[in-house]
Amino acid sequence: DAGVIQSPRHEVTEMGQEVTLRCKPISGHNSLFWYRQTMMRGLELLIYFNNNVPIDDSGMPEDRFSAKMPNASFSTLKIQPSEPRDSAVYFCASSKHNAPLEAFFGQGTRLTVV
Amino acid sequence: GQQVMQIPQYQHVQEGEDFTTYCNSSTTLSNIQWYKQRPGGHPVFLIQLVKSGEVKKQKRLTFQFGEAKKNSSLHITATQTTDVGTYFCAGNSGNTPLVFGKGTRLSVIA
Repeated sequence: DAGVIQSPRHEVTEMGQEVTLRCKPISGHNSLFWYRQTMMRGLELLIYFNNNVPIDDSGMPEDRFSAKMPNASFSTLKIQPSEPRDSAVYFCASSKHNAPLEAFFGQGTRLTVV
Repeated sequence: GQQVMQIPQYQHVQEGEDFTTYCNSSTTLSNIQWYKQRPGGHPVFLIQLVKSGEVKKQKRLTFQFGEAKKNSSLHITATQTTDVGTYFCAGNSGNTPLVFGKGTRLSVIA
């Protein structure tokens, strides 16, 4: 298995633009997580899905952030409009819902908003 | 909500010295996991502890889960330059998702 695949690996965009991050989880995993990592705040859980259904989005910072999982093999995290403070590394991770709950992380998307 | 605290935030050691990072949860955990993130990389799963008082070893790494299942530690014996990175603990209770600590960044001076 290729592991969790995220795209793009790097994104530089201007403030106000829409940004879409993509994730393909490991086949057979039914839980998917979006994390944001910054030096100041560490790894923050933004939202997670079980069986394509959003379970907890309390970590989503603002209405500018939205996430979807239209099927078991694809998820998107969208920021519209983007702001400089959104600059961070965004990780997608997947796991099986049943224990052990080991999370497999993608390589991340480094987002820079200028 | 559940919080997971990790100390220290940074640790610089001379190669060959030992290293320990500590993790404390505000709530009793079902299990605790440890991850390592190399500079520029992504977190990679190391181990999971489930039982109260559990101790597991991976070569020079020793992981411990507290009796009350609210704290954990990772100890590295005789650090090497390949140990450089950030070590995260992550815990959950029941079916809640993993909550990560902020990590301990380890630097090893050759």
